Amino acid sequence: NAGVMQNPRHLVRRRGQEARLRCSPMKGHSHVYWYRQLPEEGLKFMVYLQKENIIDESGMPKERFSAEFPKEGPSILRIQQVVRGDSAAYFCASSPASRVETQYFGPGTRLLVL
Amino acid sequence: SQELEQSPQSLIVQEGKNLTINCTSSKTLYGLYWYKQKYGEGLIFLMMLQKGGEEKSHEKITAKLDEKKQQSSLHITASQPSHAGIYLCGADIDGNNRLAFGKGNQVVVIP
Repeated sequence: NAGVMQNPRHLVRRRGQEARLRCSPMKGHSHVYWYRQLPEEGLKFMVYLQKENIIDESGMPKERFSAEFPKEGPSILRIQQVVRGDSAAYFCASSPASRVETQYFGPGTRLLVL
Repeated sequence: SQELEQSPQSLIVQEGKNLTINCTSSKTLYGLYWYKQKYGEGLIFLMMLQKGGEEKSHEKITAKLDEKKQQSSLHITASQPSHAGIYLCGADIDGNNRLAFGKGNQVVVIP
């Protein structure tokens, strides 16, 4: 019974490149959440998605960041034209339903922007 | 502003000793979650508390949520080196499934 899968686990990009982070939720889970953990800061909510729908993107930066959860395949967090300040650990979580259900986290993708 | 305050920020205990860490909010919480994170790794789910006054235990770890649903404590009995790590409390503050997190309690257990 596989947990939440994220890949890659580590990603190095140069400033101005694009970063694509993937998340496969646990089997049977249709809700996906992305969080970012910056150095010396706590974990911050970014976006909440269901299949083909963005439910809440109130935590997403207005520019360069986008997320999707297509009908088939993993959820993708995309960061265009990365800057050094984007260096962080990005975690994906999933839950089976929306109302106060436990969110199970993946191992994270650690993005380093040079 | 930090919506969840965790204390103490770090804690060093001798193996076999008990320890307690706390998580406090100024708002009533819809759900309170405890996770454990080891450096460079993901979050491991420990427990979820929803009802005021609720208490849950798993192995040597007990978590409580106060009646007002604004404060939670996590207690570890007879700590082991395996209990070392960063304990994060997360909470659904506004019922919209966005979890807010504290900065964590770093626990070190000395053999």
